[in-house]
Amino acid sequence: GAGVSQSPRYKVAKRGQDVALRCDPISGHVSLFWYQQALGQGPEFLTYFQNEAQLDKSGLPSDRFFAERPEGSVSTLKIQRTQQEDSAVYLCASSQADNYYEQYFGPGTRLTVT
Amino acid sequence: AQSVTQLGSHVSVSEGALVLLRCNYSSSVPPYLFWYVQYPNQGLQLLLKYTSAATLVKGINGFEAEFKKSETSFHLTKPSAHMSDAAEYFCAVSGGSASKIIFGSGTRLSIRP
Repeated sequence: GAGVSQSPRYKVAKRGQDVALRCDPISGHVSLFWYQQALGQGPEFLTYFQNEAQLDKSGLPSDRFFAERPEGSVSTLKIQRTQQEDSAVYLCASSQADNYYEQYFGPGTRLTVT
Repeated sequence: AQSVTQLGSHVSVSEGALVLLRCNYSSSVPPYLFWYVQYPNQGLQLLLKYTSAATLVKGINGFEAEFKKSETSFHLTKPSAHMSDAAEYFCAVSGGSASKIIFGSGTRLSIRP
């Protein structure tokens, strides 16, 4: 009965480094979402997958951000050439196909760019 | 376009007192509305949701919220606060683009002994 898991939980990167954040959704959940939560703010939508298809990436802040879900299960959010403004908690959520709005969230990855 | 506004970034109540967290929304289509709770270093947990059925929605941990279209509000209440209710609460809206949930900036709830 595992929930959504994310790894690593904490990541410190030097400015300019590339990072990869992993999300394992709840088994059988078709939809997967990534959000960015800056300190003291609510989560902001980044991108959405249905199975392996990325249906909405309108929230990705720049072309340095890239997400994939090649087999329709695990997803990776990659940030290239990290900048200080990328420091945030990155949340992953998943949902069933017919209940997309009931999203189950993982604990998040806290990224700090120094 | 959709948005939510949470009134008050910090609310403090005494244990046993009424909890009232305010949320107003804006939506060009019939909205789905949500309240989520976030405990320190944890992900968000869905407290309750409104999806165009009953306007008074009951959720977990004794919380409830009432959808008032005329006031574009979806305030969260609990009759009697418990110390374990201390957390960050987020109001959120979805609609139109089914995939996207728009969150408010959050209200931190503190409980005084």
